Amino acid sequence: EVQLVESGGGLVQPGGSLRLSCAASGFTFSIYDMHWVRQAPGKGLEWVSHISPSSSTRHYADSMKGRLTISRDDAKQSLYLQMNSLRDEDTAVYYCARGDGRGYLLDSWGQGTLVTVSS
Amino acid sequence: DIQMTQSPSSLSASVGDRVTITCRASQSISSYLNWYQQKPGKAPKLLIYAASTLQSGVPSRFSGSGSETDYTLTISSLEPEDFATYYCQQSNSIPLTFGGGTKVEI
Repeated sequence: EVQLVESGGGLVQPGGSLRLSCAASGFTFSIYDMHWVRQAPGKGLEWVSHISPSSSTRHYADSMKGRLTISRDDAKQSLYLQMNSLRDEDTAVYYCARGDGRGYLLDSWGQGTLVTVSS
Repeated sequence: DIQMTQSPSSLSASVGDRVTITCRASQSISSYLNWYQQKPGKAPKLLIYAASTLQSGVPSRFSGSGSETDYTLTISSLEPEDFATYYCQQSNSIPLTFGGGTKVEI
C-alpha cells in the first residue's frame, strides 16, 4: 500500500524558515516524480513544486519561487521542501503527492502538514 | 499558465440525484484532465484521470468526459458519501493548475 507521511509543519514567524519532510513507503520511490501541493484554510488546491526522478528537473510555483528548494533522498525514500522567507499568505496545509503517468498525475497523497505563519 | 475554470462553485443535491460538474481549460490540454474528491479534513483522492478513466476502486457511478478545453464529471446517482468538494486539475504542463472546486452539499 502506498503511504506518504508529511512532517515538519508548525508555527513560524514571518520571515522564518521551515523544512517539510515526506516519508514514502509501499512503492519504489526513486522512479516516481513527486510534488508538493498546498491548501490555505478554506481555499482550493495550489500546486507548489515538483521534482523528477534522479532530481534532474525541479519546478516551483511563481508565488514561491526563490524561497523554495525541493529535494529528495531516494535511499531514505523521502521528499523535502525547504521554505524560506515565509509570509502570512504561505499559511496552509502542505501535501506531498506522487506523480504518475507522465509524472504530473497526482495519484497518491499524504495526509498533509499544517504550516502557520504568524507573529 | 493554463487557467482552469470550474462550475458551479457549489450545488445542492439529494441522494439519488444526477450531478454534473464542468471544467474549462484556457487552452487545449489534450485530455490531460483529472478529477479529485476531497472531504473535510482529508487529503484529495484521485477519482478520474485522462478525462475519462476511472481510478481503481472508484465506484462506477462516477464518470468523466470531454476533450480539448471542456470536460465534465458526472455522478449518476448521488450517494451519501459523495457529499464533498471536487476539483479538476490539468496535468498537461507545469505549473499544474486546479479548478476552484465544486462543493456538493445536501
